[in-house]
Amino acid sequence: DGGITQSPKYLFRKEGQNVTLSCEQNLNHDAMYWYRQDPGQGLRLIYYSQIVNDFQKGDIAEGYSVSREKKESFPLTVTSAQKNPTAFYLCASSMPNYGYTFGSGTRLTVV
Amino acid sequence: RKEVEQDPGPFNVPEGATVAFNCTYSNSASQSFFWYRQDCRKEPKLLMSVYSSGNEDGRFTAQLNRASQYISLLIRDSKLSDSATYLCVGEHMRFGAGTRLTVKP
Repeated sequence: DGGITQSPKYLFRKEGQNVTLSCEQNLNHDAMYWYRQDPGQGLRLIYYSQIVNDFQKGDIAEGYSVSREKKESFPLTVTSAQKNPTAFYLCASSMPNYGYTFGSGTRLTVV
Repeated sequence: RKEVEQDPGPFNVPEGATVAFNCTYSNSASQSFFWYRQDCRKEPKLLMSVYSSGNEDGRFTAQLNRASQYISLLIRDSKLSDSATYLCVGEHMRFGAGTRLTVKP
């Protein structure tokens, strides 16, 4: 079955450490996205990519980095510059006019 | 101004009630809109697309009002299982903050 796979489901980061969240899709979608969700809040756009080898900053890109070397993959790195990274991270992909398909998310906690 | 804004909620309704949510959007050129449902600690899931002609799926109806730049979601005969947060989004990737619905026995 086609879908989006995010891993790991839970991730713990020490202060000052970089961590990478994985997102893989086999839906053949061109566009992929990363969102952050804090408790009781909506989704905020971190980065998006509409085509391989190209990506754009969203509304809260500071402290994050991404790459899009393959159509299927859009990993997100949370760098030490992100001072408050504890959140629920959601990856999504889309085709025009068909809405967004989400992975099951990664819960990141700073310890 | 945010691209999409939603009724803040929360909405607490009895089973069987009819409830409606609105979502306003700022970009008059936007063509595509969607309603999503998000359960606690889960990912959002597509509930309905919103078309100019409206869209109905069982107890759910979505409408688009271009003149006033809002979309709506109507839920008839609410069930306990409808309790969730409902999110709207347009084609510009920005989601509304969500409206929380609790359906009570």
